[in-house]
Amino acid sequence: QSALTQPASVSGSPGQSITISCTGTSSDVGSYNLVSWYQQHPGKAPKLMIYEGSKRPSGVSNRFSGSKSGNTASLTISGLQAEDEADYYCCSYAGSRISFVFGTGTKVTVL
Amino acid sequence: QVQLQESGPGLVKPSETLSLTCTVSGGSVSSGSYYWSWIRQPPGQGLEWIGYIYYSGSISYNPSLKSRVTISVDTSKNQFSLKVSSVTAADTAVYYCARVDMATVYFDYWGQGTLVTVSS
Repeated sequence: QSALTQPASVSGSPGQSITISCTGTSSDVGSYNLVSWYQQHPGKAPKLMIYEGSKRPSGVSNRFSGSKSGNTASLTISGLQAEDEADYYCCSYAGSRISFVFGTGTKVTVL
Repeated sequence: QVQLQESGPGLVKPSETLSLTCTVSGGSVSSGSYYWSWIRQPPGQGLEWIGYIYYSGSISYNPSLKSRVTISVDTSKNQFSLKVSSVTAADTAVYYCARVDMATVYFDYWGQGTLVTVSS
């Protein structure tokens, strides 16, 4: 099972919007509406930002939103802030045999 | 507030077995609503799911690691554990334990992570 494909890096200026893509296959992203997104600051554990493709946990800013089309999921950060600079990982359920597959990770830089 | 804490040796010799324990507080590993999982991250690289266990003993492993990995649970101590056998330098990573919500299938609580280095 290969990792989901994400762009290595995405950057934007404060206040702008950016979108991170997460491309899988019909066996994972395309088959289940169970994509989650995690934010990871250096030296810290990942933090859940989006689950079930587009739902935000309590306490996560509404500047973060998720969507899915076919085999590709996306995370959009609007009104980019300095504190959003971090690594972001998508994760998809992939069925009972493989269970979970993570994305390759995207480094977000706030210019 | 649920908290998870990894513990175990930070240095393991090649060909030996890596052993880690995750202690859960503020919640119970016997809860029927969650799986308990291990995830690792080699230095400077991405996340890799290792496997998960249900309190009843039901287990799922990443097929790429299945032959070398064992996950177990001790409900009396509110802990679950990871063993990786025949380790090499490629197993050097930060190892995280995490809770998986069964209904919505996401990792909602994570330990802080522990670095395990494989070196002689």
